[in-house]
Parts: sequence; structure tokens; C-alpha cells
Amino acid sequence: AQSVTQLGSHVSVSEGALVLLRCNYSSSVPPYLFWYVQYPNQGLQLLLKYTSAATLVKGINGFEAEFKKSETSFHLTKPSAHMSDAAEYFCAVRRSGGSNYKLTFGKGTLLTVNP
Amino acid sequence: DTAVSQTPKYLVTQMGNDKSIKCEQNLGHDTMYWYKQDSKKFLKIMFSYNNKELIINETVPNRFSPKSPDKAHLNLHINSLELGDSAVYFCASSQTANEQFFGPGTRLTVL
Repeated sequence: AQSVTQLGSHVSVSEGALVLLRCNYSSSVPPYLFWYVQYPNQGLQLLLKYTSAATLVKGINGFEAEFKKSETSFHLTKPSAHMSDAAEYFCAVRRSGGSNYKLTFGKGTLLTVNP
Repeated sequence: DTAVSQTPKYLVTQMGNDKSIKCEQNLGHDTMYWYKQDSKKFLKIMFSYNNKELIINETVPNRFSPKSPDKAHLNLHINSLELGDSAVYFCASSQTANEQFFGPGTRLTVL
């Protein structure tokens, strides 16, 4: 079984500051990991994914995440926050093999960006 | 050029009614999903179809019945609606094991 824990339900940063959103996973098999963003009243948009290639993954809008197996982590970072980054962020895990493609999501982290 | 679309976007109904939500994808994907997002924003898989065959059926009340008439469509029918069914329902699609693309969601409110 897979699970995801997102530390911090709410993160607040100043515009231009570093963004760090934390995600730890649990998986009995090698995982695939994803970060999605949800803007108010919208669907989920994929930011980036880890699928067992490079451990440092670059995504859209300047975000990146690093897969650390020893720490079972997949934290999301961005060097400089923009006001437009304010949204809910979800980390998700699924197994890398088999035919069960379901995503298991964390509880989400709301990012607010202060001017 | 919408990739995954859902109708309706909002659905307000009375307890006990039956309602349907429709989903269509034009990405040529072979797998489609229904997720439920509750009031605390928690997302949970409900169902998944691969090439019109049900492959994931989580512990969802049997009042919920998905139907996939073809690979591009996945509908969700809900019988005897209850207050606890109020949520946002998201449809998603993927090409087999690749990343999932989500629709805009259907906000269901049961009064």
C-alpha cells in the first residue's frame, strides 16, 4: 500500500522568497511520485513527476523536486515565489508497476504568497 | 480544445434524487478515473476504467455506478443522493500508466 504525508497544511511566504513544500511517502514497492497544483475552483494541473529516472525533477512554472529514497521524501521547491503561485498543492504516489494506476494523494498544502 | 471536460460544472439537488455527471476526454487515452474531493480538499479515487473495463472499484457505496460507453467517456450515476455525497467530483484520464490529466470538476451540493 502507498501513502503520502504532506507536512504543513498551510505555508505562507513572502513574494520572492524560497518556497518549500514537504512530502514524505510510504510505499512497499518502488513508487512514482507527482506534484499537482489546484487553483481556486479549478481542476488539478500536473507540476512535475518522478518515474525512476533522474532524481532531481524539473517541472513547470520554475518548480522542482528531488526524490530522496533514503529519506522517503519528495519535497517541492521554487527559488522565488510569485503571487501567482498561491494555490493548493498536492503530492501523490502510485506504484511503479502492475495495472493499478490509482493515485494516492496527500491532504494538500495551501500556499499563500504575501506581497 | 478542452482535454478533459465534465458536465455539469455545478449540480444542486435534493436528498433522495438521482443524478448523473458526464466526463469526456479528447486525448486518446485508454484509462479514465473518478475522484472525490471532500470539503477538506482530500482527494480519493473512486473508480477507474481501462478500455471500458472496470479496473479499480474502491469502497464506494453501491449507490454510485460508473459507466463507460467508450474509451473517451466515463459517466457517474448516483442514486438516492445523501447529504454526505456533497463534494467536488473530478474525472481524469491517462494513457495506461502515464500521468493523469484532470477535468475541471463538478461541484455537487445535496440539500
